[in-house]
Amino acid sequence: AQSVTQLGSHVSVSEGALVLLRCNYSSSVPPYLFWYVQYPNQGLQLLLKYTSAATLVKGINGFEAEFKKSETSFHLTKPSAHMSDAAEYFCAVIDDKIIFGKGTRLHILP
Amino acid sequence: DTEVTQTPKHLVMGMTNKKSLKCEQHMGHRAMYWYKQKAKKPPELMFVYSYEKLSINESVPSRFSPECPNSSLLNLHLHALQPEDSALYLCASNGGRNRGGYTFGSGTRLTVV
Repeated sequence: AQSVTQLGSHVSVSEGALVLLRCNYSSSVPPYLFWYVQYPNQGLQLLLKYTSAATLVKGINGFEAEFKKSETSFHLTKPSAHMSDAAEYFCAVIDDKIIFGKGTRLHILP
Repeated sequence: DTEVTQTPKHLVMGMTNKKSLKCEQHMGHRAMYWYKQKAKKPPELMFVYSYEKLSINESVPSRFSPECPNSSLLNLHLHALQPEDSALYLCASNGGRNRGGYTFGSGTRLTVV
């Protein structure tokens, strides 16, 4: 069965600094990987998706993620954090259903 | 229209009440889902409908009763809930090709008193 592991339940970065949220996957077949963002009291919004077309995937709000098969990773990055990026981020993989990681709360420090 | 719409946004109900949550999408997606999300946790799958037929029930108590009247609508009927059922209930749809990901609604915040 496929799974994803998010390293760090909380990440704090200063406004303007690099954002790095880590996700590692476990899959015996090429995975379909996703990052979702959830703002307080909101549903989940798709940030970006990897579907094997390109290893570097660009998403909304300036986020991107790189699929690295050798490291079984799909880390999410953004060059410069903004206060509005404070939210919960979920990495996910699709098997016969979508499987979420435990989530990472991103805090932005002024 | 690329949205999943859920109503109501907030619901407070007593343990003896009967209420329904509604979900609607007009993207032509033939798979629809109900998720339950507790605070600080990822969403947990409850039910999956595929082509208006219930295909997955993740051992959800019978006080939750899903219904799919047509390809655009998904309901979740609630009866005799417990306070521990208080959570954010999310609806999602999928176009049937996993590479597209799921589209989620904004959720219904349910409080059982």
